[in-house]
Amino acid sequence: GDSVTQMEGPVTLSEEAFLTINCTYTATGYPSLFWYVQYPGEGLQLLLKATKADDKGSNKGFEATYRKETTSFHLEKGSVQVSDSAVYFCALGGSQGNLIFGKGTKLSVKP
Amino acid sequence: ETGVTQSPTHLIKTRGQQVTLRCSSQSGHNTVSWYQQALGQGPQFIFQYYREEENGRGNFPPRFSGLQFPNYSSELNVNALELDDSALYLCASSEGFSSYNEQFFGPGTRLTVL
Repeated sequence: GDSVTQMEGPVTLSEEAFLTINCTYTATGYPSLFWYVQYPGEGLQLLLKATKADDKGSNKGFEATYRKETTSFHLEKGSVQVSDSAVYFCALGGSQGNLIFGKGTKLSVKP
Repeated sequence: ETGVTQSPTHLIKTRGQQVTLRCSSQSGHNTVSWYQQALGQGPQFIFQYYREEENGRGNFPPRFSGLQFPNYSSELNVNALELDDSALYLCASSEGFSSYNEQFFGPGTRLTVL
């Protein structure tokens, strides 16, 4: 069945460092792809999405490109801030209108 | 505009008991999806309701059941609770049942089964 694999955490970076969180997927067809973020004590929030191959989603300095040839949707940010500390989830749109999530990657950014 | 709300925030039950969790969808949204998030894991899809009908279901046993009401709020019921049911239960609402539609999540209900 459809699934998402994302890099294991935790990831610890210094402020202003470059961030990459890898995400690959297995799916039939061409699902939409998403990155969700869960800040401490808060609910899941959509960070960005892409609905077709070569689409780039972007928000708050984060970017991810839908790569069909490598079945990947890696999350990147050029300069992280302490406020980016959170758990990041890669997800794909399932056939039942559901979201299929990866296990999450915890990011800690140190000042 | 009111976001997705869930009640209660926390709940403690014992094995074998039954529990009902509630979710109010965002204004204008006719679809509610429920997810179970175990500690340290990603959310797992339980089921989805669209206009009061179950529209899809994940790999959960029948003791997980739900309802959606005419105002599109929803309930998740779990019978015969097991220890492994301890998790954060998330509700998400959207404007339609397609996965292309953004799902807006509530803060969750933390269920502990002793």
